[in-house]
Amino acid sequence: DIVMTQSPDSLAVSLGERATINCKSSQSVLYSSNDANYLGWYQQKPGQPPKLLIKWASTRESGVPDRFSGSGSATDFTLTISSLQAEDVAVYYCQQYYSIPHTFGQGTKVEIK
Amino acid sequence: EVQLVESGGGLVQPGGSLRLSCAASGFSFSSHWMNWVRQAPGKGLEWVANIKQDGSDKNYVDSVMGRFTISRDSAKNSLYLQMNSLRAEDTAVYFCARGLSGESGYRPIDNWGQGTLVTVSS
Repeated sequence: DIVMTQSPDSLAVSLGERATINCKSSQSVLYSSNDANYLGWYQQKPGQPPKLLIKWASTRESGVPDRFSGSGSATDFTLTISSLQAEDVAVYYCQQYYSIPHTFGQGTKVEIK
Repeated sequence: EVQLVESGGGLVQPGGSLRLSCAASGFSFSSHWMNWVRQAPGKGLEWVANIKQDGSDKNYVDSVMGRFTISRDSAKNSLYLQMNSLRAEDTAVYFCARGLSGESGYRPIDNWGQGTLVTVSS
């Protein structure tokens, strides 16, 4: 199984400041035939199901604010919230869908400082 | 509007069985791979299983292989998860989740239900 490891486990950021979450996969999730990274980012607010933010490592889902961006390739990925808003308080998960089982990272809790 | 509504959760004794259902609406059910994802209380997300549009291909996480069976009924726009030989560690909220449209099952999840709680305890 591909192990997804996120860092940090939690972070507190001031409103308007940048938040950066890292995700590392135990093996590459870059599919060479189409040059796509099989990596997604999800946001989960308390009492709600997760919501897809970013797919293919860097493609923002429709309706997701442009302060959210994804980057990286192969084994190292980053989710950046460029200017943290109060409504961004949540747990964020990365997920690889390159191989079965489609494993998630352990989650990163983002709070307001 | 895409809607995924789970049902069938509840309290079951260890070794028991339960069948979860998910009613899908607002999209072409037969065009999407479908998934089950679970979340133990206070814990992270765990992908459990997925199934191809026509039901001909199914995949499972090792921890449920041989105990859980995913299925679907396109005539009823419904997804199911038959869970047998349940263990305490299966206690979780189970989410029905839609895969991004496409032939391949190797795609992200783009819509989630609200989940149904399964508690395995004596």
